[in-house]
Amino acid sequence: DQQVKQNSPSLSVQEGRISILNCDYTNSMFDYFLWYKKYPAEGPTFLISISSIKDKNEDGRFTVFLNKSAKHLSLHIVPSQPGDSAVYFCAAIGGTSYGKLTFGQGTILTVHP
Amino acid sequence: DAGVTQSPTHLIKTRGQQVTLRCSPISGHKSVSWYQQVLGQGPQFIFQYYEKEERGRGNFPDRFSARQFPNYSSELNVNALLLGDSALYLCASKPGQGNEKLFFGSGTQLSVL
Repeated sequence: DQQVKQNSPSLSVQEGRISILNCDYTNSMFDYFLWYKKYPAEGPTFLISISSIKDKNEDGRFTVFLNKSAKHLSLHIVPSQPGDSAVYFCAAIGGTSYGKLTFGQGTILTVHP
Repeated sequence: DAGVTQSPTHLIKTRGQQVTLRCSPISGHKSVSWYQQVLGQGPQFIFQYYEKEERGRGNFPDRFSARQFPNYSSELNVNALLLGDSALYLCASKPGQGNEKLFFGSGTQLSVL
């Protein structure tokens, strides 16, 4: 039962352009969503989050959009840089999960110079 | 301040053996969680501990166990290792037990031969 899904295994983008990573969820109890970035041989690093009471959160080059009716969120990176090349995980928390994160499968982002 | 530290970084075991992985949370963090990440997938929740008590358990067999010590460090034990236990084991910490972001360590890469 995959409650958080990232349907694009990989994304390739040119430096300076926008990267859009997508995530869908099925559990309506989720009320807090996070994006993590992971480089090889390192643990996931927190990038940005959004509460279900908002539909947008921005931090520098990173913006997360939440569409609750569609149970969909997206991460926009503008402008994309080669150093952004990594695996990006969408994660969700909610209900009485005591902070348990449910992760998507990840999307490999490659930004070409 | 030091981040979440895990030891060892790499481990090779054979089927049927037992393994213990260790984690030290960020200073002041009372909650520790363990996740398993198999190649090509997102991290899967194994356990959460808060104030030395188990607060959540994922869908893993009883061969997996954990504990948290008075200094909030934690150990994950896996008995009767199977080939399928080969994975990156991630420890994460956060200050409380609510729905907040997790800070991850770099993980222990376990290979079962």
